[in-house]
Amino acid sequence: SQQGEEDPQALSIQEGENATMNCSYKTSINNLQWYRQNSGRGLVHLILIRSNEREKHSGRLRVTLDTSKKSSSLLITASRAADTASYFCATVTSGSRLTFGEGTQLTVNP
Amino acid sequence: GAVVSQHPSRVICKSGTSVKIECRSLDFQATTMFWYRQFPKQSLMLMATSNEGSKATYEQGVEKDKFLINHASLTLSTLTVTSAHPEDSSFYICSASKISGSSYNSPLHFGNGTRLTVT
Repeated sequence: SQQGEEDPQALSIQEGENATMNCSYKTSINNLQWYRQNSGRGLVHLILIRSNEREKHSGRLRVTLDTSKKSSSLLITASRAADTASYFCATVTSGSRLTFGEGTQLTVNP
Repeated sequence: GAVVSQHPSRVICKSGTSVKIECRSLDFQATTMFWYRQFPKQSLMLMATSNEGSKATYEQGVEKDKFLINHASLTLSTLTVTSAHPEDSSFYICSASKISGSSYNSPLHFGNGTRLTVT
């Protein structure tokens, strides 16, 4: 079953703006991962955040994790047209597999 | 590095034929590989977990006799769609982890997927 639910399903912004995508989940997790998928391609790993971490940064990406609310957010700052893609969160529960959310389709308009 | 190569990228076949998709880890050894299926604008659904030298573990609802998985070496897993039907048309993606024994606690590296169309 798909544990992660993401919102919004689609997001359209202008270049230079920030993009925020949210992911909620239902059960306790070991870690949460964010992936990016360009149309018709495989997924690329962006960030992994463990359950005892609250925030991680990687370049223009910032991920937060709130285990009390069972939610995570991915912030892309100063977005570029090349950031246009689908973004998926994926949760790992103890002793279980990686389960992907439904994804957010981000469009960055030049 | 951590490159996963998937081949072919696109394949069109007729109903009733079989199609083999290869997934190779090019610069690392992968004791575990995963096969996913993705419908348009939807998420990835795990089909099976492929373990080198042993039988694959299939997810509930996935027919193991239809989707044959072989993981004969540490760098190669294959998925064969047997007696393909139009409803098998989909995007199939493989992935692998560089770290064995804790595959779910490290990033997965994905192939670029195979677009299968069954006519």
